[in-house]
Amino acid sequence: EAGVAQSPRYKIIEKRQSVAFWCNPISGHATLYWYQQILGQGPKLLIQFQNNGVVDDSQLPKDRFSAERLKGVDSTLKIQPAKLEDSAVYLCASSLVDRDGYTFGSGTRLTVV
Amino acid sequence: AQSVSQHNHHVILSEAASLELGCNYSYGGTVNLFWYVQYPGQHLQLLLKYFSGDPLVKGIKGFEAEFIKSKFSFNLRKPSVQWSDTAEYFCAVTPGFQKLVFGTGTRLLVSP
Repeated sequence: EAGVAQSPRYKIIEKRQSVAFWCNPISGHATLYWYQQILGQGPKLLIQFQNNGVVDDSQLPKDRFSAERLKGVDSTLKIQPAKLEDSAVYLCASSLVDRDGYTFGSGTRLTVV
Repeated sequence: AQSVSQHNHHVILSEAASLELGCNYSYGGTVNLFWYVQYPGQHLQLLLKYFSGDPLVKGIKGFEAEFIKSKFSFNLRKPSVQWSDTAEYFCAVTPGFQKLVFGTGTRLLVSP
């Protein structure tokens, strides 16, 4: 089966600019996650979707981050405006059933300068 | 606070040495346990998982992990590491079938 697709792979922006990341999960996976992985740390959940509804966005900095999953398939994560501390790898994952573990994409490495 | 702890941040081994990476969690109740690996430049991949039954779980590439409920631990082991095992290893937990929570990771360097 095809994996979780993410784009772009790399992005460099200046602080206060905006950026968007795209994710296409594995076909049929109802649950989609966005994780933030700061260098030297484990991934941290930002938001979880079940189909096109938000299940958990308690860790999402809503003043600058937003995410949507239209039609319950693809998802977009946006940061506006970006801060230096947003430099991280943004990982998208999907799962059919939580207990099976998640399948991760290759991530988008964001550098804010 | 509830968390997942990986006590070894960096491990350096020679090829053929045995590996054990520690993982402890602080969640009560039912948990599902996972080990993920991230090879340089690649995405996170599932090594193995534990849901129930035999507490000794075998995964891919010769890795295994043992769930010790009384110690809240899920340590990863491999009898003989190879240079290709150089990677970062993450322990992760889904407490009560909720979201996946990761530890901080252990960077393993295997020297030839």
